[in-house]
Amino acid sequence: EPEVTQTPSHQVTQMGQEVILRCVPISNHLYFYWYRQILGQKVEFLVSFYNNEISEKSEIFDDQFSVERPDGSNFTLKIRSTKLEDSAMYFCASRVGGGIINEQFFGPGTRLTVL
Amino acid sequence: QQQVKQSPQSLIVQKGGISIINCAYENTAFDYFPWYQQFPGKGPALLIAIRPDVSEKKEGRFTISFNKSAKQFSLHIMDSQPGDSATYFCAASEHTSGTYKYIFGTGTRLKVLA
Repeated sequence: EPEVTQTPSHQVTQMGQEVILRCVPISNHLYFYWYRQILGQKVEFLVSFYNNEISEKSEIFDDQFSVERPDGSNFTLKIRSTKLEDSAMYFCASRVGGGIINEQFFGPGTRLTVL
Repeated sequence: QQQVKQSPQSLIVQKGGISIINCAYENTAFDYFPWYQQFPGKGPALLIAIRPDVSEKKEGRFTISFNKSAKQFSLHIMDSQPGDSATYFCAASEHTSGTYKYIFGTGTRLKVLA
């Protein structure tokens, strides 16, 4: 069964450093998302991406964040200068698009720890 | 208005019992209501979902009840098993936003005792 994959599973970085989180969505999916989950809290929407551009972003997704689909299969989230409060699980999700099917498929997540 | 309120925060049920988790929303434009199950260290996985044109949807031991006028929906897990012990998130999305982003509830940690 196709699945969303994410790498790395755990990333430890120093405050102020740049990190790139990688995702490979399901191959025929057209809509891509990043969510984050701070430990013990709910899953929060960060950004959605369609047709090679951001379609919506939340207040959390400030200038320190960027997304890219560099090669038609990978979908990346970059945090330019990490802060302690960026420590969270980051989930990538994808959706096939079209019709009335809204199901989003989530990856296993990347745990980001900022020291 | 974008919030989805979920209760209870945690739930302990005996094996074979019924687990009930409730969610409420304000935005009447929401038109898709999924429930996700999350095990520790894993990503959320879709369990069951409903649209507001039906009042109930059942898949195996899992049932969603939907009350459009009250703007509430709930997940019932019948014959709860220890393997159901996980965190459950309700969510809502609307197609008019174009992105179908999910607004998640705060989660319910379910523990089923053997």
